[in-house]
Amino acid sequence: GDSVTQMEGPVTLSEEAFLTINCTYTATGYPSLFWYVQYPGEGLQLLLKATKADDKGSNKGFEATYRKETTSFHLEKGSVQVSDSAVYFCALSGGNSGYSTLTFGKGTMLLVSP
Amino acid sequence: NAGVTQTPKFQVLKTGQSMTLQCAQDMNHEYMSWYRQDPGMGLRLIHYSVGAGITDQGEVPNGYNVSRSTTEDFPLRLLSAAPSQTSVYFCASSTPRWGTDTQYFGPGTRLTVL
Repeated sequence: GDSVTQMEGPVTLSEEAFLTINCTYTATGYPSLFWYVQYPGEGLQLLLKATKADDKGSNKGFEATYRKETTSFHLEKGSVQVSDSAVYFCALSGGNSGYSTLTFGKGTMLLVSP
Repeated sequence: NAGVTQTPKFQVLKTGQSMTLQCAQDMNHEYMSWYRQDPGMGLRLIHYSVGAGITDQGEVPNGYNVSRSTTEDFPLRLLSAAPSQTSVYFCASSTPRWGTDTQYFGPGTRLTVL
């Protein structure tokens, strides 16, 4: 079946540091890939997405590139802010599970200090 | 548009009690799904629906029932609550139209079973 593996946290950074959160996936076919963010006490918000190989999703300074050859979708940001502190989830749709639901990684907590 | 709404926000049950978590969306989305979020486990799919009258099981369906009598509503029923069902529950919706499969999430219901 489909699966998503992302690096364990927490990731602790100082403000303005560079961020990378690794995400790899296993799925058949051509899945769509997503990063969702969950701020403390809130629900999940879509951060960015990519629907085919070599696509780059971007939003709010975050970027991720769909790499089919390495089955990866790593999240990056050049300069993090305290307000970026949250839990980040990598997810996919398509593959074995179809496009009506998502398969999630376990989440990575990011803590940014001033 | 209210998007995806969930009620209640918080609930405490005793073991063996039953209850229904409500989910509604006003975006005319065909797809709706329920996930539970547990520490260190990410989000796991409980049940999902691809349209009114059609439901199917996800990864962790035991102890839960669903039905989809209208496009807008997708309630989740706990038949006999157990402490293992203590979790945060998220409802989500999406549509296959317009070539997008982005899932939109509700704010969540935090359930504690004593």
